[in-house]
Amino acid sequence: QSVLTQPPSVSGAPGQRVTISCSGSSSNLGAGYDVNWYQQLPGAAPKLVIYENSNRPSGVPDRFSGSKSGTSASLAITGLRAEDEADYYCQSYDDNLSGPWVFGGGTSLTVL
Amino acid sequence: EVHLLESGGGFVQPGGSLRVSCAASGFTFSNYAMTWVRQAPGKGLEWVSGISASGATTLYPDSVKGRLTISRDNSKNMLYLQMNGLRAEDTAVYYCAKTDFPDFTSSWWFDSWGQGALVTVSS
Repeated sequence: QSVLTQPPSVSGAPGQRVTISCSGSSSNLGAGYDVNWYQQLPGAAPKLVIYENSNRPSGVPDRFSGSKSGTSASLAITGLRAEDEADYYCQSYDDNLSGPWVFGGGTSLTVL
Repeated sequence: EVHLLESGGGFVQPGGSLRVSCAASGFTFSNYAMTWVRQAPGKGLEWVSGISASGATTLYPDSVKGRLTISRDNSKNMLYLQMNGLRAEDTAVYYCAKTDFPDFTSSWWFDSWGQGALVTVSS
């Protein structure tokens, strides 16, 4: 059971817009801690795609965007492409845990 | 370009020990805190240790405290994870990852990752 809750799967057709949600609580997102997002292509290491809620690292397409409000955050991908098919993880900091840097359970994105 | 390369994974029996290493290049290693994140087969990501840029401070979750030890050698640009008292539930790919900070902060994100080292604990 992850501290940050994500839907197990989402899907969309090429060109469409999809969003992936990340739900937290008053000890993490609700406490004002930032959220970060990672993309993990099949068989590969995770890659940072959004940091500090809405910032994109160099090289990440502007089709990827992030937002946060209260105890929830979301990752949006517009103009969906086949190469976006991957697992996506949110990550933040939690006050209550001894292992404070926590991840969501991950969301598998399927491009139809 | 940042490059992180893990080595030392393998097969070990329950109760055994193993050390995983991570060779860093492409950045000033001694300026950044580093972490280890693991992923059990078919499962999600779990942060398992962190170390400050100087190596003076380390942190672990309760799930591994006392069994895993993170260390670094800034003269060799190397990060290590010593794993003792291994259990079946420690079976995972272990990734080393770079932060963008010299010390611990709630704002940590992991901006570069290695390809991972598979550790299998089984009798």
